Amino acid sequence: SQKIEQNSEALNIQEGKTATLTCNYTNYSPAYLQWYRQDPGRGPVFLLLIRENEKEKRKERLKVTFDTTLKQSLFHITASQPADSATYLCALISSNTGKLIFGQGTTLQVKP
Amino acid sequence: DTAVSQTPKYLVTQMGNDKSIKCEQNLGHDTMYWYKQDSKKFLKIMFSYNNKELIINETVPNRFSPKSPDKAHLNLHINSLELGDSAVYFCASSQGRPAYEQYFGPGTRLTVT
Repeated sequence: SQKIEQNSEALNIQEGKTATLTCNYTNYSPAYLQWYRQDPGRGPVFLLLIRENEKEKRKERLKVTFDTTLKQSLFHITASQPADSATYLCALISSNTGKLIFGQGTTLQVKP
Repeated sequence: DTAVSQTPKYLVTQMGNDKSIKCEQNLGHDTMYWYKQDSKKFLKIMFSYNNKELIINETVPNRFSPKSPDKAHLNLHINSLELGDSAVYFCASSQGRPAYEQYFGPGTRLTVT
């Protein structure tokens, strides 16, 4: 069956360090992969989209990689700040159905 | 300006009641969605409408009925509420298919007692 897995354990890092979050998937051949940020009590907010033919995408302090061989995406936040603390969701677009399928998210806590 | 709005934000009701959640978007998008986020934070799609046409209808009990009176509105009506319906319901919208970027509303926390 199709699965998207993100590390369910919270990631705690020190301010200024690089945070790296992982998204693994099985039995998918996604054309696109997206990352969203969700703060407590709020809806997810779109951050980045990366296509299957792109290895890497950057936006300010954010970087996403997409390895279709490993079936994995890595999400990096460089020079992390306490304001980056949130839950980050990985989402795949199923090329069959066009539906957006979400992982369960990884909570990041950046300590000052 | 609110892009995607939902009402109410909180909804507490008893088992067996019928309730509705409303959603409106002012982004001019042609596709709208309902998602359910359970206590384990999994966000699962329930329904999607494109130009008022139902295009995604997941395995959801038929007690849930979406209605899209126009492209900017998507409502969710739930009959005979059950304890397991307690969750946060998010409305979202996007332009075009597939959904490259979705804009989410603030969510409606439904508690069934």
